[in-house]
Amino acid sequence: GAVVSQHPSRVICKSGTSVKIECRSLDFQATTMFWYRQFPKQSLMLMATSNEGSKATYEQGVEKDKFLINHASLTLSTLTVTSAHPEDSSFYICSAKRGGGGTEAFFGQGTRLTVV
Amino acid sequence: KQEVTQIPAALSVPEGENLVLNCSFTDSAIYNLQWFRQDPGKGLTSLLLIQSSQREQTSGRLNASLDKSSGRSTLYIAASQPGDSATYLCASSKLTFGKGITLSVRP
Repeated sequence: GAVVSQHPSRVICKSGTSVKIECRSLDFQATTMFWYRQFPKQSLMLMATSNEGSKATYEQGVEKDKFLINHASLTLSTLTVTSAHPEDSSFYICSAKRGGGGTEAFFGQGTRLTVV
Repeated sequence: KQEVTQIPAALSVPEGENLVLNCSFTDSAIYNLQWFRQDPGKGLTSLLLIQSSQREQTSGRLNASLDKSSGRSTLYIAASQPGDSATYLCASSKLTFGKGITLSVRP
């Protein structure tokens, strides 16, 4: 299967600061990337969908000014959590697809964010 | 809005047992259904992808089936091993996930 690399795997930051998470497709071009948030023992909640070169589509209830998503190239998408608060602490996972709805999704390893 | 349900939430079986994990979804207008495995604190590993035109897919000891008309998919694991212990999630092509089934295979 294709490889999606997410970095960092763990990050601790202070309240009020911003943190950037990177998601890279290593061996394919990802036309669409997705960002998820996962709480302990819960399923993945889709935060936003991004297509290369265009603005991300955010799910209802997700603040676009707080969770900035950039998908500037076919192999890289970034999620920036701005002015982080302790309630933003969570496990964030990205996924990538080569094409449209029928193609397989590949996931990164996830990033454990802790805001202190 | 698509809803994906996986029941039970947890399952414990002895090693060697064959088992079936169930997934149901409300919107049959899907391109595919995908099964994943997640180990604690890790990302997701894709196990099987079934396109809407297919009825099943097999990979090693895993077999996944899809019945769009009834809104159901099953993941069959043959001769389970302790290394199969993980959380198994299904997701529709719109990547709506179930909560997962946490499987524990006892040696």
